[in-house]
Amino acid sequence: GDSVTQMEGPVTLSEEAFLTINCTYTATGYPSLFWYVQYPGEGLQLLLKATKADDKGSNKGFEATYRKETTSFHLEKGSVQVSDSAVYFCALSEHDMRFGAGTRLTVKP
Amino acid sequence: DAGVIQSPRHEVTEMGQEVTLRCKPISGHNSLFWYRQTMMRGLELLIYFNNNVPIDDSGMPEDRFSAKMPNASFSTLKIQPSEPRDSAVYFCASSHGRSYEQYFGPGTRLTVT
Repeated sequence: GDSVTQMEGPVTLSEEAFLTINCTYTATGYPSLFWYVQYPGEGLQLLLKATKADDKGSNKGFEATYRKETTSFHLEKGSVQVSDSAVYFCALSEHDMRFGAGTRLTVKP
Repeated sequence: DAGVIQSPRHEVTEMGQEVTLRCKPISGHNSLFWYRQTMMRGLELLIYFNNNVPIDDSGMPEDRFSAKMPNASFSTLKIQPSEPRDSAVYFCASSHGRSYEQYFGPGTRLTVT
């Protein structure tokens, strides 16, 4: 069935470092792909999404490109801030929403 | 819109007691989800409603758990009797459909002693 695999955490970076969180997917058709973020003590919230191959989703300085040839949707940010510390979930949706296990990011000043 | 509303935000109860968690979805959304999140098991889908009807309850752990959605603006998740292993954060989410982006509530942190 459909599934998402994302890199295990935790990830610890210094402020202004470059961030990549890897996400690959398995699907039978043409899913939409999402990144959700969960800040401490809160529920998940949508960060960005892409609905077809080669689409780039972006928000708050984060970007991810839907790569059908590599079945990937890696999350990137050029310069992270302490306020980006959170858990990031990759997800795909074809018939229903499937979430990855989450990757905890800690950004240190 | 106020977003998905959950109550209570925190619940501490003793083993054997009944616990009821409440959720008000975003107006106009026809799909509602209940999730449980723990460090050990991550985010687990418990049950999914569409147009107030339970469609998929395969994630409900056992008969102690039950969920209802009497109308489009209210749902409950009940645990009776509660056990310490039920301690977790329970999230409610709503959307325009099962494959659409979901909007999560702030969660209810349940502690069963």
